[in-house]
Amino acid sequence: NAGVTQTPKFQVLKTGQSMTLQCAQDMNHEYMSWYRQDPGMGLRLIHYSVGAGITDQGEVPNGYNVSRSTTEDFPLRLLSAAPSQTSVYFCASSLRRTTNEKLFFGSGTQLSVL
Amino acid sequence: AQSVTQLDSHVSVSEGTPVLLRCNYSSSYSPSLFWYVQHPNKGLQLLLKYTSAATLVKGINGFEAEFKKSETSFHLTKPSAHMSDAAEYFCVVSERRTGGFKTIFGAGTRLFVKA
Repeated sequence: NAGVTQTPKFQVLKTGQSMTLQCAQDMNHEYMSWYRQDPGMGLRLIHYSVGAGITDQGEVPNGYNVSRSTTEDFPLRLLSAAPSQTSVYFCASSLRRTTNEKLFFGSGTQLSVL
Repeated sequence: AQSVTQLDSHVSVSEGTPVLLRCNYSSSYSPSLFWYVQHPNKGLQLLLKYTSAATLVKGINGFEAEFKKSETSFHLTKPSAHMSDAAEYFCVVSERRTGGFKTIFGAGTRLFVKA
């Protein structure tokens, strides 16, 4: 089973460049989300989606856009990268958006913005 | 307000000795509590979860956690550490709010296991 697949694994950008981090899941999960992981801060929610066509902001949405045109895919876009966006990004999904549902994580994307 | 505090940023144990990773939480409602593990360069994997059933929760790889409401704690333990347990561990609190729910991750505890 593929589970949650993220690409690319590593990326280096220059300030002001744009890029899209890809996330796909093959488990027919309703809920998908993007987190960033920074040292000493745990994971912080950027954006999430509870189904195709529905997205909402998390704790740290500024500088990021998302869309959910299909159940399987949930790309994260950086329109104009900044050094403060250097981080490790994780996509996660769950069957439903409830308090006790297990999250399935991708293997992460390490992004450096110079 | 909802919060999660992992009391140790690093814990070092010898192989074969007990593991204790401490987590305190604050929640206005009856929360769901989780422990996730992250091995180097990997995504997070669920170890165990508490959802208001038994207060002692058993997880994978011999880990367990006890929910203590009076102490607002959810400490993770394992009787005997193995080298493969070296990883980062995250305590997570999730509670229902009006219009949805909120999930908070602790800052993480890195576990080192010495041979």
